[in-house]
Amino acid sequence: EIVMTQSPATLSVSPGERATLSCRASQSVSNNLAWYQQKPGQAPRLLIYGASTRATGIPARFSGSGSGTEFTLTISSLQSEDFAVYYCQQYNNWPPITFGGGTKVEIK
Amino acid sequence: EVQLVESGGRLVQPGGSLRLSCAASGFTFSSFSINWVRQAPGKGLEWLSYISSSGASINYADSVKGRFIISRDNAKNSLYLQMGSLRVEDTAVYYCARYSDSHNAFDCWGQGTLVTVSS
Repeated sequence: EIVMTQSPATLSVSPGERATLSCRASQSVSNNLAWYQQKPGQAPRLLIYGASTRATGIPARFSGSGSGTEFTLTISSLQSEDFAVYYCQQYNNWPPITFGGGTKVEIK
Repeated sequence: EVQLVESGGRLVQPGGSLRLSCAASGFTFSSFSINWVRQAPGKGLEWLSYISSSGASINYADSVKGRFIISRDNAKNSLYLQMGSLRVEDTAVYYCARYSDSHNAFDCWGQGTLVTVSS
């Protein structure tokens, strides 16, 4: 099983600032990595797939990068609606499909 | 509008059984594989099970293998999860999620249904 580790667990950021979230895989997942956003009481929403491709309707301030075992989600200028929990997920070697533990982006 | 709607969650005793449903609309259900994913209270996401578009291919997480059964009825645009031998640790919100072959990711999620296992 591929273990996905996200850091930090919590990220405190002021509106308008840049946020950088990390995701590490226990073995290479190539670029088979997705990022999801989840707000309280809501289902997750797909942000990024293929490590760097934005899903339909996702603003350009969200960007993904990386390959192999190291990945990054960057939010260039945080808006109020971006404060949420973010999960990475690998689908390179499954079953099982595995998620990271999440990074909560909170208002500083 | 592409939509997935789960139902069937409720309070159930340990050792009991429950059947969850996921109704799909707004897309050709029979063309997509679907998954179940759960989230325990205050915790992260856990993938549970996958079923291919035709139903011919099925996978389970070790945590539910032998206790849960995934199935689908393409004529009814519906997905199911038959849950048995339920444990307290199965308490969670259960989501169905559509898998996009073009994106290799879950591109549509239902709103979730809460299953509580408690005596």
